[in-house]
Amino acid sequence: DAKTTQPTSMDCAEGRAANLPCNHSTISGNEYVYWYRQIHSQGPQYIIHGLKNNETNEMASLIITEDRKSSTLILPHATLRDTAVYYCIVRVKVSSGSARQLTFGSGTQLTVLP
Amino acid sequence: KAGVTQTPRYLIKTRGQQVTLSCSPISGHRSVSWYQQTPGQGLQFLFEYFSETQRNKGNFPGRFSGRQFSNSRSEMNVSTLELGDSALYLCASSEGPGTEAFFGQGTRLTVV
Repeated sequence: DAKTTQPTSMDCAEGRAANLPCNHSTISGNEYVYWYRQIHSQGPQYIIHGLKNNETNEMASLIITEDRKSSTLILPHATLRDTAVYYCIVRVKVSSGSARQLTFGSGTQLTVLP
Repeated sequence: KAGVTQTPRYLIKTRGQQVTLSCSPISGHRSVSWYQQTPGQGLQFLFEYFSETQRNKGNFPGRFSGRQFSNSRSEMNVSTLELGDSALYLCASSEGPGTEAFFGQGTRLTVV
């Protein structure tokens, strides 16, 4: 799986948009970009994933550059409860057979400030 | 729909003992993965089961083992516990290998 690079930490004001970048310059054509977050001492929470088109769900938006070498997770209106470590992961998505595990890096510690 | 359930939530064991952790996946999910999280190593993949078969294994010693039952519930076992096995053990379930994984709250194991 392609390696990802994320900033160690970021701050965001409550109510503002949080934009979390991720570089994955060695991503392959069949690798998806996944985002998870982990609030302190809880299990990671799936947020969103995408291949090449921008994606949006009730939690966040995922913007993937045209060359797919980087992406940005956007939390449109950050709240204090969004304070967590955010992990960007790239992985082949297969429907059956042996699948590659999620490889978590160090992630980005997002702190939402009141 | 109920989420992933891990039991117990907290556990204290003595060096040399063995431990069994349990994971009940989301209803309908057939794939279960296990991860170990420590402050020093972060989140590391242990193994993945699908249809009662181990499909993938991480770089852990043979003291770490697991199994999956016909109802997709899974257990992991750690034998001859070492102090370094103290960690948060996380279970994730998904519909199948490679699909979105949903994590439980974890079992916090402390080895003394």
